[in-house]
Amino acid sequence: KAGVTQTPRYLIKTRGQQVTLSCSPISGHRSVSWYQQTPGQGLQFLFEYFSETQRNKGNFPGRFSGRQFSNSRSEMNVSTLELGDSALYLCASSSIATGGANSPLHFGNGTRLTVT
Amino acid sequence: AQSVTQLDSQVPVFEEAPVELRCNYSSSVSVYLFWYVQYPNQGLQLLLKYLSGSTLVKGINGFEAEFNKSQTSFHLRKPSVHISDTAEYFCAVSERSGGGADGLTFGKGTHLIIQP
Repeated sequence: KAGVTQTPRYLIKTRGQQVTLSCSPISGHRSVSWYQQTPGQGLQFLFEYFSETQRNKGNFPGRFSGRQFSNSRSEMNVSTLELGDSALYLCASSSIATGGANSPLHFGNGTRLTVT
Repeated sequence: AQSVTQLDSQVPVFEEAPVELRCNYSSSVSVYLFWYVQYPNQGLQLLLKYLSGSTLVKGINGFEAEFNKSQTSFHLRKPSVHISDTAEYFCAVSERSGGGADGLTFGKGTHLIIQP
C-alpha cells in the first residue's frame, strides 16, 4: 500500500504570493489532517478534513485554507505569504476521523516551504 | 484544552545505553497518548499509543512507555539504543471526548543523539 504522498517536496515563494500544497492519503483513508512544523513553535494543528468536510480547525489566520476532494485528496492553500509561514507542512491521513482510539495518523514526508 | 511538555529538548546517549525521554501532559479530561518518531527529512511515524488498560505499552523498535495517571506522565524508554535511533521524538495527546476537536497536540520534541 502506498503511503501518504505530498507534493511538492520543496517550494520557494516570495512574500505576498500564494501557494497550494497537495496531499494524497493512503488508499481508503477518508481523514486528512494538516500540521505546520517550525523550530520555534513545533507541530501545530492546522485543520482536518473528513469526507470533503472541514471537521476541525486550529488557531491559524484565514489566510490558511484547505479543501478535500471526493477521492480524499486534499489541498492546502496559503494566501498573502509572510516570512513567518516558512515551515515544513505535514499532511497525515487516517481511516476514520481523528480523536478516536483506533485512528493513528500516517504522515507524509512533508512540503518544505521557504518564503523570501 | 490539553498541553504536552517534553522536558528535554536534546538527550545525548551512548550506543547500547538505556534511555528515557520524558513527557508530561495536562488535560481536564481523559486522554489518549502517543509517541511519534521523526527521522531526518521524513514525516512522523507512530511508535506506540496508550488507549486504556495496561499502563505499560510496548511499541516498535524496542521502545516502551509507561502511563502514570497520578503524575500525568507518559515517559518513553528503551533498554539499549542504537545509532539508528537518532531522531526527533514527539509525545502527543488527544482528548477522548469531543472527537479530538483540537486535533493531536504535540510536545516540542526531544532530539535523541546516539554517540558511538
